Amino acid sequence: DIVMTQSPDSLAVSLGERATINCKSSQSLFYRPNNKNFLAWYQHKPGQPPKLLIYWATTRQSGVPDRFSGSESGTDFTLTISSLQAEDVAVYYCQQYYSAPQTFGQGTKVEIK
Amino acid sequence: QVQLQQSGPGLVKPSQTLSLTCSVSGGSITSGGSLWSWVRQAPGKGLEWIGSIYYTGEASYKPSLEGRTTVSADTSKSQFSLNLDSVTAADTAVYYCARGLPTGDQGRGYFDSWGQGTLVTVSS
Repeated sequence: DIVMTQSPDSLAVSLGERATINCKSSQSLFYRPNNKNFLAWYQHKPGQPPKLLIYWATTRQSGVPDRFSGSESGTDFTLTISSLQAEDVAVYYCQQYYSAPQTFGQGTKVEIK
Repeated sequence: QVQLQQSGPGLVKPSQTLSLTCSVSGGSITSGGSLWSWVRQAPGKGLEWIGSIYYTGEASYKPSLEGRTTVSADTSKSQFSLNLDSVTAADTAVYYCARGLPTGDQGRGYFDSWGQGTLVTVSS
């Protein structure tokens, strides 16, 4: 199975500041025929189901604020919240869907400093 | 936007079968382009894909759970279901149904709609 490793496990960021979450895959998620990385990001708040934020590593889901962005470099992926809002407090997960079985990272908890 | 509503018991005895159902509204369960899936989260743990079924009826499962997992669909009721046999305390988790957008074979995809989640506790 592909192992997805997120860092840090948790971070505290001041309101309005940037939050950066990293996700590293144990092997490439890049599929050359469609030139895409098979990676998604989710936001998970307590008592709610996860919410899809980003897919294909960089494509924002409809309705997701543009302060959320995804970037990619080889087997390293980053979710950036450009200006943290109170409602962004949550656990964030990356997920690879390149290889079966699809797997998730262990999660990164984002809190307000 | 498709909506998913889960139902099923929150307590299951060890060695018995966990059964959950997900009702789909706002979209057809038989339409192509959807993977009807189950994902769980054990207490203090991350998300774990369990299995998915395509509109054709083809199902895929996580290998470590295959053999005691069945995902099935009832198109007449616009529902899909999860059966997990011979449960133990390790199967205690919040179980989510989800709609996946397929990106390849073997149930692979990303999940854009989720049910509300059901906490299932395995205990005698």
